[in-house]
Amino acid sequence: DIQMTQSPSTLSASVGDRVTITCRASQSISRWLAWYQQKPGKAPKLLIDKASSLESGVPSRFSGGGSGTEFTLTISSLQPDDFATYYCQQYDSYPLTFGGGTKVEI
Amino acid sequence: EVQLVESGGGLVQPGGSLRLSCAASGFTFSTSAMTWVRLAPGKGLEWVSAISDSGGSTYYADSVKGRFTISRDNSKNTLYLQMNSLRAEDTAVYYCAKRNPNYPFDPWGQGTLVTVSS
Repeated sequence: DIQMTQSPSTLSASVGDRVTITCRASQSISRWLAWYQQKPGKAPKLLIDKASSLESGVPSRFSGGGSGTEFTLTISSLQPDDFATYYCQQYDSYPLTFGGGTKVEI
Repeated sequence: EVQLVESGGGLVQPGGSLRLSCAASGFTFSTSAMTWVRLAPGKGLEWVSAISDSGGSTYYADSVKGRFTISRDNSKNTLYLQMNSLRAEDTAVYYCAKRNPNYPFDPWGQGTLVTVSS
């Protein structure tokens, strides 16, 4: 099984900050990596697929990068609506696995 | 508009059973793979199970293998998750989601809460 390791688990930041979340896969997954945002009581929202492809309607301050085993999600200028928990997920092979999550808080 | 609506959650005793449903609309259900994901209190997202568009292929996380069964009725545009031998650690909000080939999960339903407790 492919293990996904996210860091940090919690990130304290302020509005306007540039933040980066890292996700590592235990083996190469090419670019089959997605990022989701989840707010309390809400369903996860897909932000990025294929490591760097921004979903329609997602603000351009979000960007993704990486390939193989190392990936990043960057928010260029944190906005109040961005305080949430972020998850990476590999969809290269079953069982599909998520990272442990990164809570972005003030 | 693509819509997924889960139902069937509730309170069940350890060892009990529950069947979740996910009603789909706004897309061609019979040509879409589907999946279940859960979020336990204080934990992260955990993929649970997936099923191919025809229902001919199914996949399970080790944590539920042998206890949960995923199925679908394409004539009713509905996805199911039969959960047997439930444990306290199965307590979670269960989400269904659509999965296109070589694509992650999108969209997701609003979730249904399953609580396993005596």
